[in-house]
Amino acid sequence: NAGVTQTPKFRVLKTGQSMTLLCAQDMNHEYMYWYRQDPGMGLRLIHYSVGEGTTAKGEVPDGYNVSRLKKQNFLLGLESAAPSQTSVYFCASSPRLAGGLNEQFFGPGTRLTVL
Amino acid sequence: GEDVEQSLFLSVREGDSSVINCTYTDSSSTYLYWYKQEPGAGLQLLTYIFSNMDMKQDQRLTVLLNKKDKHLSLRIADTQTGDSAIYFCAESSSGGYQKVTFGTGTKLQVIP
Repeated sequence: NAGVTQTPKFRVLKTGQSMTLLCAQDMNHEYMYWYRQDPGMGLRLIHYSVGEGTTAKGEVPDGYNVSRLKKQNFLLGLESAAPSQTSVYFCASSPRLAGGLNEQFFGPGTRLTVL
Repeated sequence: GEDVEQSLFLSVREGDSSVINCTYTDSSSTYLYWYKQEPGAGLQLLTYIFSNMDMKQDQRLTVLLNKKDKHLSLRIADTQTGDSAIYFCAESSSGGYQKVTFGTGTKLQVIP
């Protein structure tokens, strides 16, 4: 059981370049999330998905797009990278549980630098 | 919207108890969580408490919830150097996709 995996682990981009971050989970979880972590700001939700083929905007979606073509994968795309997108990106997944409990399982993160 | 606040930094000596505090604003929170993030890693759930409880104990960890004041705390007994990490408080409410709101994280430094 690998849990939640992310590729790549590190990436350096130039302003204006594009890239896709891949997240995969092998726990058959319904929900998947992309967060960014910046110093002093905690985790901020970029986009999320409640199931295969569905995505929704989170707190800070501008400049990012996502797709969930397969239940186990959640892709985060940056079409034209900007220095403000320099951050550590975390993917997470969680099962659909009754009653409001939402235990999220996190990947190891992708450290992205945009020059 | 929902807000979760924590102090940014806490320093304790090895063997002492650590208490990390958190306040939240969402009165409809159903679960509150503590996550741990070790250097260079993702977050990992440490423990959680249902909103109708006021205390939960799990080995060295004690969670206290004051729902009236919307205050959550995590006490780590006999703190070890391996407890050095960032601790995130979080809350979720029922309904929809059960959105989780995370705090800014408290960096715990354990001095040998």
